[in-house]
Amino acid sequence: AQKVTQAQTEISVVEKEDVTLDCVYETRDTTYYLFWYKQPPSGELVFLIRRNSFDEQNEISGRYSWNFQKSTSSFNFTITASQVVDSAVYFCALSESAVGTASKLTFGTGTRLQVTL
Amino acid sequence: NAGVTQTPKFQVLKTGQSMTLQCAQDMNHNSMYWYRQDPGMGLRLIYYSASEGTTDKGEVPNGYNVSRLNKREFSLRLESAAPSQTSVYFCASNNPFPSSGNTIYFGEGSWLTVV
Repeated sequence: AQKVTQAQTEISVVEKEDVTLDCVYETRDTTYYLFWYKQPPSGELVFLIRRNSFDEQNEISGRYSWNFQKSTSSFNFTITASQVVDSAVYFCALSESAVGTASKLTFGTGTRLQVTL
Repeated sequence: NAGVTQTPKFQVLKTGQSMTLQCAQDMNHNSMYWYRQDPGMGLRLIYYSASEGTTDKGEVPNGYNVSRLNKREFSLRLESAAPSQTSVYFCASNNPFPSSGNTIYFGEGSWLTVV
């Protein structure tokens, strides 16, 4: 069975600090997909990134970066120079891979990030 | 630019009442999903429809039924609402072909309270 663990329930930082959100996953599949979603206070789920299991390259998008390490089954998310607008709940999720089948996501329990001035 | 649209956004039900949550997507996606979000538990899959004409149970299907009305629409029905079904419900969709890892897009959520 698949499992996603986000051990950090809540993190508080002061604006401009860097912060890393941890995600550890378990799966028996050799091919799988990992996602990060952001849920701001308004409640919608915003897609941030998708990574497949064959692509271990780190990715940077503006102030966001992701570190995927298959050796430790981790897919960590770093926000550089955090801003108040980054305050949200962040979810890591895992999807099995099979051609033509539905993408059933397994979510972690989320990390609530609070950025203060 | 609608994406995934859910209605209603807010609903209060009495125990035992029934209701249907509606979901429609305009992205021509084959697969649609219903998740529920509860505090401290992340999102859990209730039902999904891999393609038009098919539906399957997810992790927490008890107390729910679904209908894939056509390619665009996927409804979730609570036949006899219980307080344990108080939750935020999210509809989602994607096109998994050629792999199931294609990005899933979510609706804005429906806040349901059962008293």
